[in-house]
Amino acid sequence: KNEVEQSPQNLTAQEGEFITINCSYSVGISALHWLQQHPGGGIVSLFMLSSGKKKHGRLIATINIQEKHSSLHITASHPRDSAVYICAVLSGSARQLTFGSGTQLTVLP
Amino acid sequence: EAGVTQFPSHSVIEKGQTVTLRCDPISGHDNLYWYRRVMGKEIKFLLHFVKESKQDESGMPNNRFLAERTGGTYSTLKVQPAELEDSGVYFCASSLSVGVLNTEAFFGQGTRLTVV
Repeated sequence: KNEVEQSPQNLTAQEGEFITINCSYSVGISALHWLQQHPGGGIVSLFMLSSGKKKHGRLIATINIQEKHSSLHITASHPRDSAVYICAVLSGSARQLTFGSGTQLTVLP
Repeated sequence: EAGVTQFPSHSVIEKGQTVTLRCDPISGHDNLYWYRRVMGKEIKFLLHFVKESKQDESGMPNNRFLAERTGGTYSTLKVQPAELEDSGVYFCASSLSVGVLNTEAFFGQGTRLTVV
């Protein structure tokens, strides 16, 4: 069973700051998802990656397979980025995702 | 193209009553997953359909939960009778065909269930 840990659990930043959220997992994976959930809202998939780095707008996701670690970066953060960010992994032959506990991000104006 | 849709968005029921949640996956997605997030905990897997068949139901908490996917299209998750600890947000996700392991999962808005 894969253990997925995220840090920090809570993060408050000022608008414009560079933000990093980390995710570590215990067992080798085939893919890792970064998800976003706004208050009262559904889950949106931001990235799915299995190696290297992906960029979409102000969001960057990286993964280091050897170290079993991924990071989500937000550049020039904005209050609308405030949400829960969740890391989820797909391990080996498993067809379902194992989720981290999420990081509550609050960006203050 | 419509995304994954779930109905209802919110449901408040009394302990002992029955509730049925519905999920319509993206058209053409063979894989359909149910997940649940209870207060303060991480999202947990409930079960996985491939078309109309249950591929993995190891996450179903007990026999008060019944999931179906008639004809391999939409899915329902029935809780009968509901208990207080069933309160949480139930998410549905779908992804493309079974043979491709790393297909992206698309999530619905979730159904917030409150049992009082």
